[in-house]
Amino acid sequence: KQEVTQIPAALSVPEGENLVLNCSFTDSAIYNLQWFRQDPGKGLTSLLLIQSSQREQTSGRLNASLDKSSGRSTLYIAASQPGDSATYLCAVYSGTYKYIFGTGTRLKVLA
Amino acid sequence: SAVISQKPSRDICQRGTSLTIQCQVDSQVTMMFWYRQQPGQSLTLIATANQGSEATYESGFVIDKFPISRPNLTFSTLTVSNMSPEDSSIYLCSASTGGDYGYTFGSGTRLTVV
Repeated sequence: KQEVTQIPAALSVPEGENLVLNCSFTDSAIYNLQWFRQDPGKGLTSLLLIQSSQREQTSGRLNASLDKSSGRSTLYIAASQPGDSATYLCAVYSGTYKYIFGTGTRLKVLA
Repeated sequence: SAVISQKPSRDICQRGTSLTIQCQVDSQVTMMFWYRQQPGQSLTLIATANQGSEATYESGFVIDKFPISRPNLTFSTLTVSNMSPEDSSIYLCSASTGGDYGYTFGSGTRLTVV
């Protein structure tokens, strides 16, 4: 059974710092992995989608990497801003149309 | 990617009543999904909504409590029936044209049952 874990659970950093969020999954047989952002009480916004054949994806200040064999993905945020404050979720797709979500990392960027 | 309009965005409901949540997608999608997110928790899949057939429910969720409709390829509803305070959560719908293309989410419905 696929399990997805995110570390750290919460993170507080000063503005301008580069930071790394981690996502681990137990079954490496995945089709893709998706990173989402969730603002308090809101829905999910897709940030990056990495297919199993890819190593990384980039969008602006965000870079996500995938190491399927070790069951890990990282989301790198460069030059963090207060507007980046949110909960970040990773989700793994292993087929049968189901996404398994991680536990989330709650990020706070201090001005 | 598809854009999903979900409503209502929030509601406060009395115990024992029902609430129907609607999701409209701006394009035809193969699969739609309904999730629940309890306070401080991650997302839990309630059911997969298939057009033209019964929804497929995950363990711990039943049709009598969470009836779902999927009348066409762009629309779905979830009803939370006979509500209790334990149903207070964020409910989210999601859509995909196929798992390889990732998933899009609605803006969520924040439900409080008093």
